[in-house]
Amino acid sequence: GQQVMQIPQYQHVQEGEDFTTYCNSSTTLSNIQWYKQRPGGHPVFLIQLVKSGEVKKQKRLTFQFGEAKKNSSLHITATQTTDVGTYFCAGRNVFGSGNTGKLIFGQGTTLQVKP
Amino acid sequence: DAGVTQSPTHLIKTRGQQVTLRCSPKSGHDTVSWYQQALGQGPQFIFQYYEEEERQRGNFPDRFSGHQFPNYSSELNVNALWLGDSALYLCASSLRRDLISYEQYFGPGTRLTVT
Repeated sequence: GQQVMQIPQYQHVQEGEDFTTYCNSSTTLSNIQWYKQRPGGHPVFLIQLVKSGEVKKQKRLTFQFGEAKKNSSLHITATQTTDVGTYFCAGRNVFGSGNTGKLIFGQGTTLQVKP
Repeated sequence: DAGVTQSPTHLIKTRGQQVTLRCSPKSGHDTVSWYQQALGQGPQFIFQYYEEEERQRGNFPDRFSGHQFPNYSSELNVNALWLGDSALYLCASSLRRDLISYEQYFGPGTRLTVT
């Protein structure tokens, strides 16, 4: 079945350093979503990428969708302590009509930021 | 504008028992998906309901069943509980605008512990 892998599993950075997490799917995706989950919280939607090669920015966060629509990345510039949490990518398969496509989550990258 | 609500927040059950978890979607949303999140893992898709029917199902046994009501709220039922069913159960709602792209809003989850 479809698998979505994320690396690294954990990342510890000094406040102000950059951070990147990578997501790879075993199959071509129709779209990919990114979520952030704070400790003890629930996943919160960040963004969705649909087009091949798409790049979207949200302040210090940059999201990319690969040309083959099988990989994605999230880059945070100049991390802050408020960036602490686990970042999940979630990919949706290409599907036929009348279906919504299952959303498959990666295992997440947990970011720790030292002040 | 009410977000996604889930009840109860915490639950302790014994092996072999049955449990029902409840979810009310965000106002205006018509689709509900259920996920199981084990500690340190990404959410695993259980199933999705739209128009009171199960539309998609993940790799979960028949012990996991659900229902969606005319007001779009949903229930997740788990029979014959195993210790391995201990997890955070997340409900996510979305609007079926099109067949491909929609963001999901997660509820706070129900923490189920099976002893």
